[in-house]
Amino acid sequence: SAVISQKPSRDICQRGTSLTIQCQVDSQVTMMFWYRQQPGQSLTLIATANQGSEATYESGFVIDKFPISRPNLTFSTLTVSNMSPEDSSIYLCSVGVAGTGQGYTFGSGTRLTVV
Amino acid sequence: DQQVKQNSPSLSVQEGRISILNCDYTNSMFDYFLWYKKYPAEGPTFLISISSIKDKNEDGRFTVFLNKSAKHLSLHIVPSQPGDSAVYFCAASEGRGSNYKLTFGKGTLLTVNP
Repeated sequence: SAVISQKPSRDICQRGTSLTIQCQVDSQVTMMFWYRQQPGQSLTLIATANQGSEATYESGFVIDKFPISRPNLTFSTLTVSNMSPEDSSIYLCSVGVAGTGQGYTFGSGTRLTVV
Repeated sequence: DQQVKQNSPSLSVQEGRISILNCDYTNSMFDYFLWYKKYPAEGPTFLISISSIKDKNEDGRFTVFLNKSAKHLSLHIVPSQPGDSAVYFCAASEGRGSNYKLTFGKGTLLTVNP
């Protein structure tokens, strides 16, 4: 299965600033997924990023707040913009197509704290 | 509205015993179910899955059971080992392919005591 390198692993940011999270995959993948896990909550899909097209956002998430880039088949970034303490979460990228029995592969996550 | 529910936030078992983690879902369109394990400071790792056309799938110490009529699945770990201590997430999907996405439960923290 694919290996994902995600960075930064953690960060503490001031409110009103932005943070860009990077994910590098060791193989070419069609789709990359960005998730958020708020404290005590489940993993929630933010958006699906396809190379060469705009990301598809889930209900409750908008491009202005979470812009995503997907410049090639091995790399993607998620930016958390104009941060507030409510954005404090773990953010994870993921690749793979479930239904094949192999499941998804996740990055190690970015633990973001907004102060 | 939580479509995938793991009602037990935590579970503690003795080493060598069976661990049973439960998951309920409400969306009858879900047809594929997965379990993930997550250690602190790591991303979730895929553990085992089951298709809705089956009621059981086994992989070594791990077995997943699916009861479609009850919209319930469970993960059995036998025998449990201290290294199994982690958060276990149940996930479900409506389909397979490029529009596929997962819906996760909140997770159950399993602690296996030596």
